[in-house]
Amino acid sequence: AAGVIQSPRHLIKEKRETATLKCYPIPRHDTVYWYQQGPGQDPQFLISFYEKMQSDKGSIPDRFSAQQFSDYHSELNMSSLELGDSALYFCASSLQQGWGTGELFFGEGSRLTVL
Amino acid sequence: AQTVTQSQPEMSVQEAETVTLSCTYDTSESNYYLFWYKQPPSRQMILVIRQEAYKQQNATENRFSVNFQKAAKSFSLKISDSQLGDTAMYFCAFMTGAGSYQLTFGKGTKLSVIP
Repeated sequence: AAGVIQSPRHLIKEKRETATLKCYPIPRHDTVYWYQQGPGQDPQFLISFYEKMQSDKGSIPDRFSAQQFSDYHSELNMSSLELGDSALYFCASSLQQGWGTGELFFGEGSRLTVL
Repeated sequence: AQTVTQSQPEMSVQEAETVTLSCTYDTSESNYYLFWYKQPPSRQMILVIRQEAYKQQNATENRFSVNFQKAAKSFSLKISDSQLGDTAMYFCAFMTGAGSYQLTFGKGTKLSVIP
């Protein structure tokens, strides 16, 4: 079965640079979530989209922005990168905001390293 | 706001033995979901088991089962016949059933299965 696809899997950037992460949800899933997991930390919710509209917002810095496109894929844009942004970024998808099942399907993550 | 507490940072178990991972949570919601996710060294988040709060029956998935005590706000995971492949970080997670579909994770328990 098709899973959540994230790209790139690994990304190295310098401080103050910009990075873009992409997420392709499971086909027919209409909701996408972004999580950030720092080294040795639990994942923290950043933002989610339902039917191309932002549905919920967590601890996403103002330097970050995200959107969901008409094909339901999502992109997380990170600007003015800081060393503390080094983390594993997970994307997850679900159908109808997890209603009924409460189940999110996670991608393998994109590891961002800021030097 | 919801909180999830995992009081065991690390645990170990002999192969083929049984181990129980603890999780408590705090919420004022009556409708919610609880999850255990496994994160092996590959770093992908894998759903182990899910429990709907309105269901009194404890969820079971093969060797994995939960002890859900709603009044005590406790949600422990029991792994029977532990296998080497069970070595991973285990996260307990909470999702409210209405409005917000973000997951709140505990800090995780690192489980090592010893041959």
